Amino acid sequence: AQSVSQHNHHVILSEAASLELGCNYSYGGTVNLFWYVQYPGQHLQLLLKYFSGDPLVKGIKGFEAEFIKSKFSFNLRKPSVQWSDTAEYFCAVNSLSAGTASKLTFGTGTRLQVTL
Amino acid sequence: DSGVTQTPKHLITATGQRVTLRCSPRSGDLSVYWYQQSLDQGLQFLIQYYNGEERAKGNILERFSAQQFPDLHSELNLSSLELGDSALYFCASSPNGMDGYTFGSGTRLTVV
Repeated sequence: AQSVSQHNHHVILSEAASLELGCNYSYGGTVNLFWYVQYPGQHLQLLLKYFSGDPLVKGIKGFEAEFIKSKFSFNLRKPSVQWSDTAEYFCAVNSLSAGTASKLTFGTGTRLQVTL
Repeated sequence: DSGVTQTPKHLITATGQRVTLRCSPRSGDLSVYWYQQSLDQGLQFLIQYYNGEERAKGNILERFSAQQFPDLHSELNLSSLELGDSALYFCASSPNGMDGYTFGSGTRLTVV
């Protein structure tokens, strides 16, 4: 069964600091990888996704993530965070088999708090 | 507005009661997924429907059931409610599951 680990549970950064959130998954086959963001009191929104090709993917709001297959990792980065980035961030993965996709499995989330 | 509509937004009910949560997927999406989000368990997959048929089941309790109707809306039925069932219940939809999901705003269930 696939699983997703997010090692940082709570991260506190000052505005303009750089961000990197770790995500590792366990599954040996073909996967699609996603990062979702959940702002306080809101639903999950897709930040970015990786299917294939260039392992460095760019998403909305200046976020990017790098897929490193050998490390089973898909870390999220942003060069300079803003106060409005305060939210919970979820890494998710689904696996592909015979042309169909499994359900999305989510990590436990990382709560990012950006201080002014 | 994500295009996925969930009602009601909030629900307060007593232990032992039964409730129904409703989800209308984004137009054109055939797959509906239900997730439970609680502080201690994170986002837990409950069940998936595709075009009216159950496709996958996660950690869904026997007291919980779901269905997807011909118009593709879905309902999640929770019965014999316990205090521990208090959580946010999210519905998500997708055309085929490959492209990620679109989430609704959730139903916050409080069991007292």
